[in-house]
Amino acid sequence: NAGVTQTPKFRVLKTGQSMTLLCAQDMNHEYMYWYRQDPGMGLRLIHYSVGEGTTAKGEVPDGYNVSRLKKQNFLLGLESAAPSQTSVYFCASSRSGSYGYTFGSGTRLTVV
Amino acid sequence: KEVEQDPGPFNVPEGATVAFNCTYSNSASQSFFWYRQDCRKEPKLLMSVYSSGNEDGRFTAQLNRASQYISLLIRDSKLSDSATYLCVGGWNQGGKLIFGQGTELSVKP
Repeated sequence: NAGVTQTPKFRVLKTGQSMTLLCAQDMNHEYMYWYRQDPGMGLRLIHYSVGEGTTAKGEVPDGYNVSRLKKQNFLLGLESAAPSQTSVYFCASSRSGSYGYTFGSGTRLTVV
Repeated sequence: KEVEQDPGPFNVPEGATVAFNCTYSNSASQSFFWYRQDCRKEPKLLMSVYSSGNEDGRFTAQLNRASQYISLLIRDSKLSDSATYLCVGGWNQGGKLIFGQGTELSVKP
């Protein structure tokens, strides 16, 4: 049972390039989330989804887009990367808010 | 901030008892948790927090809704307890959780 799998684990982008981060969960969870974690800022919610075909904005959505075409996958896209998007990105899934989250191992993204 | 913690670091000797405190600002929050995060790793659920208090081995968590206050007590600290502890509050509907910045614990021999 893999849990939550994030790909890639590391990436270096040049300013202006685009990329997609993939999150896959095999626990049949309805809810999925994308967070970024920066030193001194804690975990901040970018976007989330409460079910297949749904997405919603979190605390810091600007510069990111998401899609949830299949229940098990939640994609995070950066259309035009900026150095301010250098961060560690964590995906998480949950059965419901009362059960807490299961996190993926993270993607370390550097934008130069 | 919606969830506030003392960032520490807390430096304690092995065997010590250490307590972390956390406050939350949104009285509508329904679910509370403590997560543990090791350096450069993903956060992992340590325990849920209930109004009645709950204990898991050396760890005890308490919730005081009237004061909007959450605590975590670690007894008989081990070297392996060294990590950052995240206080978390959220809502059952939509499952959104708000994370505190974390409290760093370093247990020394």
